[in-house]
Amino acid sequence: AQKVTQAQTEISVVEKEDVTLDCVYETRDTTYYLFWYKQPPSGELVFLIRRNSFDEQNEISGRYSWNFQKSTSSFNFTITASQVVDSAVYFCALIDTGRRALTFGSGTRLQVQP
Amino acid sequence: DAGVTQSPTHLIKTRGQQVTLRCSPKSGHDTVSWYQQALGQGPQFIFQYYEEEERQRGNFPDRFSGHQFPNYSSELNVNALLLGDSALYLCASSLYQRGSYNEQFFGPGTRLTVL
Repeated sequence: AQKVTQAQTEISVVEKEDVTLDCVYETRDTTYYLFWYKQPPSGELVFLIRRNSFDEQNEISGRYSWNFQKSTSSFNFTITASQVVDSAVYFCALIDTGRRALTFGSGTRLQVQP
Repeated sequence: DAGVTQSPTHLIKTRGQQVTLRCSPKSGHDTVSWYQQALGQGPQFIFQYYEEEERQRGNFPDRFSGHQFPNYSSELNVNALLLGDSALYLCASSLYQRGSYNEQFFGPGTRLTVL
């Protein structure tokens, strides 16, 4: 069975601080995809990134970066120089190509204080 | 380019009633998935439709049913509503690709309250 664990329920930082959101996953499949979504107060899930299990290269997109490590089954997300607009709930999710349904973690609420 | 749209935005029902939620996928997408998100939790997969058939189903009772139309839009029906069905219902669309996987794009959701 698939499982995604986001141990951090809520994180509060001051603007311009760096913050890392942790994600640990479990799957028996060798082919799978990992995702991060952002859910602002409006409720709509916004896609941030997709990684497949064969690509362990870290990725940077502006102030966002992702660290994928298969050895520890982790896919962590770092926001550099956080801004108030980054305040939201962030979800890590997993999918295997056989099932095609996203398994989400419980989410991490990030509050960035001005 | 319109994204995923859902209607209605909010809905209030009483226990035992039936409800229908609607979703129009993003242009060019052919697959629709439905998720239930209870307050403070991550979304839970209900089912997925492709080529007008239910292809995958999560751990939800038969009270939850759906349909996909030839234009790829979809409906989610819930019968005999329970208080525990109160949640945000999210629709997601994607483009089916055999042997691979494309990201799902989500709509704004329908907030269902059961009294």
